[in-house]
Amino acid sequence: DTAVSQTPKYLVTQMGNDKSIKCEQNLGHDTMYWYKQDSKKFLKIMFSYNNKELIINETVPNRFSPKSPDKAHLNLHINSLELGDSAVYFCASSQGLPAGDTIYFGEGSWLTVV
Amino acid sequence: AQSVAQPEDQVNVAEGNPLTVKCTYSVSGNPYLFWYVQYPNRGLQFLLKYITGDNLVKGSYGFEAEFNKSQTSFHLKKPSALVSDSALYFCAVRDSGGYQKVTFGTGTKLQVIP
Repeated sequence: DTAVSQTPKYLVTQMGNDKSIKCEQNLGHDTMYWYKQDSKKFLKIMFSYNNKELIINETVPNRFSPKSPDKAHLNLHINSLELGDSAVYFCASSQGLPAGDTIYFGEGSWLTVV
Repeated sequence: AQSVAQPEDQVNVAEGNPLTVKCTYSVSGNPYLFWYVQYPNRGLQFLLKYITGDNLVKGSYGFEAEFNKSQTSFHLKKPSALVSDSALYFCAVRDSGGYQKVTFGTGTKLQVIP
């Protein structure tokens, strides 16, 4: 059973398109995240939701919009895709807000904008 | 502000030899420290964490890490490296005070040479 699953795993799309990445966790966790890993493997948090409420919103273009229909799902919608959006996007989850909680990652979604 | 540094981009070690991957951190309060491993085209997998208590933390796949408060370090170690340990390793830190996002290091590529 996959704990944090995200789809699609690979996505190739043209500039200007709109795309979504879906994420689901079956761990019963209250907090979910979106991270971006660039070509140099740097990992940076984009958003975090706790019980469907946005609690972290890093400096991310408005073209990126997270949506959490329930605490087990956190989707990422990207409008007007640009070449620089090409990266690996990781969904993750943790039990709650306490700082010692382990974050569990999905397998990643490889986005290529051409 | 919190930060974490992984001073080595790459570490090479012969199979069967002990390995060390270095990590230093900076937080204003007490640190919560984590190690993750990323295999090619995969998500990050949790290895171990230090929250409190014993300075030597044991984790998955025979890895361990030693918390050293005076040197603000949390180096990852393994007594005998395997070729299958070759991967990208990330150290991460979170300040225990209040709710803070996790800050990841830049990653260290471990190459175990047969």
